[in-house]
Amino acid sequence: SQQGEEDPQALSIQEGENATMNCSYKTSINNLQWYRQNSGRGLVHLILIRSNEREKHSGRLRVTLDTSKKSSSLLITASRAADTASYFCATDGFSGGYNKLIFGAGTRLAVHP
Amino acid sequence: DAGVIQSPRHEVTEMGQEVTLRCKPISGHNSLFWYRQTMMRGLELLIYFNNNVPIDDSGMPEDRFSAKMPNASFSTLKIQPSEPRDSAVYFCASSLSLAGPGTATGELFFGEGSRLTVL
Repeated sequence: SQQGEEDPQALSIQEGENATMNCSYKTSINNLQWYRQNSGRGLVHLILIRSNEREKHSGRLRVTLDTSKKSSSLLITASRAADTASYFCATDGFSGGYNKLIFGAGTRLAVHP
Repeated sequence: DAGVIQSPRHEVTEMGQEVTLRCKPISGHNSLFWYRQTMMRGLELLIYFNNNVPIDDSGMPEDRFSAKMPNASFSTLKIQPSEPRDSAVYFCASSLSLAGPGTATGELFFGEGSRLTVL
């Protein structure tokens, strides 16, 4: 399966700490994307990293991609209570004759004031 | 832009009834996706359209599910007859695909979802 698997399933930290979430996948990909979902809301795109890129930054977010290990990590620095949400990685790859964006199960992040 | 608009936000129905979920994508986007989210199965891709044409419907669980996109600004997902196991949050998402189907998927813009409960 192409589906990404996030680790850990849940993460609880204090405000100001860094949060690291990992994603592993099984097949070759075009790109990997990270999304955020607040409770009861739709998903919001955070960052896209292409298969030929190794690292990307956006504000307090840092994403790395290691295609040899088929893994990615999302680092949120100096976390805030407002970062509390579920975070999903999504892999874009060729499956069943078409390109598809397949989501992992997500990491639930709780940031305590 | 108002973003992707889905309706209804909540639907409670009885087993056997027909359910129609609606989606208005972002103007100018040419790809539209329907996903289903449950605790047990996570986010599943049901079907996606490119330029109003269904490209991949392999994720549609069974014949009770059908989706249409009659024009660039409207899509429906229909379940007939509905069953309790169809209870889930159904998301519509749209994107701008410059290179067409079969190429890399870019950023998706999601609606707020339609929460379906089938009793």
